[in-house]
Amino acid sequence: GAGVSQSPSNKVTEKGKDVELRCDPISGHTALYWYRQRLGQGLEFLIYFQGNSAPDKSGLPSDRFSAERTGESVSTLTIQRTQQEDSAVYLCASSTRLAGEGPDTQYFGPGTRLTVL
Amino acid sequence: AQSVAQPEDQVNVAEGNPLTVKCTYSVSGNPYLFWYVQYPNRGLQFLLKYITGDNLVKGSYGFEAEFNKSQTSFHLKKPSALVSDSALYFCAVSSSASKIIFGSGTRLSIRP
Repeated sequence: GAGVSQSPSNKVTEKGKDVELRCDPISGHTALYWYRQRLGQGLEFLIYFQGNSAPDKSGLPSDRFSAERTGESVSTLTIQRTQQEDSAVYLCASSTRLAGEGPDTQYFGPGTRLTVL
Repeated sequence: AQSVAQPEDQVNVAEGNPLTVKCTYSVSGNPYLFWYVQYPNRGLQFLLKYITGDNLVKGSYGFEAEFNKSQTSFHLKKPSALVSDSALYFCAVSSSASKIIFGSGTRLSIRP
């Protein structure tokens, strides 16, 4: 596709259940980011994948959160034993890296709205 | 460690007046600076970026931003605000070897 896609667009789950969120980045984008945005709040960095390098997991809030990415393609963010405070919009973004330099513009997906009851 | 600050949670401007949304940053090395906008119930959209070159960067929807190295700032500006500019604005920063991080956002409200 032309842009970043995320699925599902909405997810309602019960406290304690596991959820898996998916992100399809723009083809050829080596970098992929996950962010969390609580209602009316800013973007909270979760995890960053860059090519084949080890991911930067410094933003994951607890060990209930994990993410994987196969090569430079799809990524999944998994939240185990969901809690009510996990309710938020989870945003994925992808970008290229400028040759030998830093990151280029991020393109964001529409997000997955997670509601934990 | 890198950081970015948006000191104003909310900016209120009358339509037709100039607007400024402030952003300051801290990075090791040369900064890569971005502005994004989030309209209600919509995703984040890229506005403009500074990588290198001219300090004044022009972007979408008539917005521009000025990179000021000595003040470590990258304020977003527009000469004449529109009601449709009302949205949440995010500044973001990175350096060549690091991830992009975002400020806390500034809600811009333009009154008719």
